[in-house]
Amino acid sequence: AAGVIQSPRHLIKEKRETATLKCYPIPRHDTVYWYQQGPGQDPQFLISFYEKMQSDKGSIPDRFSAQQFSDYHSELNMSSLELGDSALYFCASSLVGSDTQYFGPGTRLTVL
Amino acid sequence: LAKTTQPISMDSYEGQEVNITCSHNNIATNDYITWYQQFPSQGPRFIIQGYKTKVTNEVASLFIPADRKSSTLSLPRVSLSDTAVYYCLVGAYGGATNKLIFGTGTLLAVQP
Repeated sequence: AAGVIQSPRHLIKEKRETATLKCYPIPRHDTVYWYQQGPGQDPQFLISFYEKMQSDKGSIPDRFSAQQFSDYHSELNMSSLELGDSALYFCASSLVGSDTQYFGPGTRLTVL
Repeated sequence: LAKTTQPISMDSYEGQEVNITCSHNNIATNDYITWYQQFPSQGPRFIIQGYKTKVTNEVASLFIPADRKSSTLSLPRVSLSDTAVYYCLVGAYGGATNKLIFGTGTLLAVQP
């Protein structure tokens, strides 16, 4: 069965650079979530989209933005990267109203 | 969303049954109880969900007492591959946004 696809899987950036993470949800899933998991931490919700509209927002820095496109894939744009942004970034998808989220393999971002 | 409390870590041996209890004293009437499993550097994976009494699937069982202020995830005959962090989450689902709020999970270490 098709799963959530995230790219790239690994990304190394310098401080103050920008990064773009991509997420391709499971086919026919209309809702996408982004989570951040720092080293030794629990996943933290960043933002979600339903039918290309932002549906909820968590502790996402103003330096980050995201959107969902007409094909339902989503991109998380991160600017002015800081050392503290180094983390695993997970994307999850679901059908609206579903209680089950399916997570992708994550993108490991390292900021040097 | 209801706050959950679960043990930080548990140890077990292969072949044993493992029970992880989660407290959620402030659970709301329309809240469900959901458990996710996370292996290192992988996205969380849905295990089981319930509202009351007992739920069983091919992976685990979930026991919920009548007052719903706690729940117990039961893993029968664990193996080394069950070593992971287990998260108990409580929340209402069915709307356009079902963000997951992860608390501190339980690190289960299964030894041979």
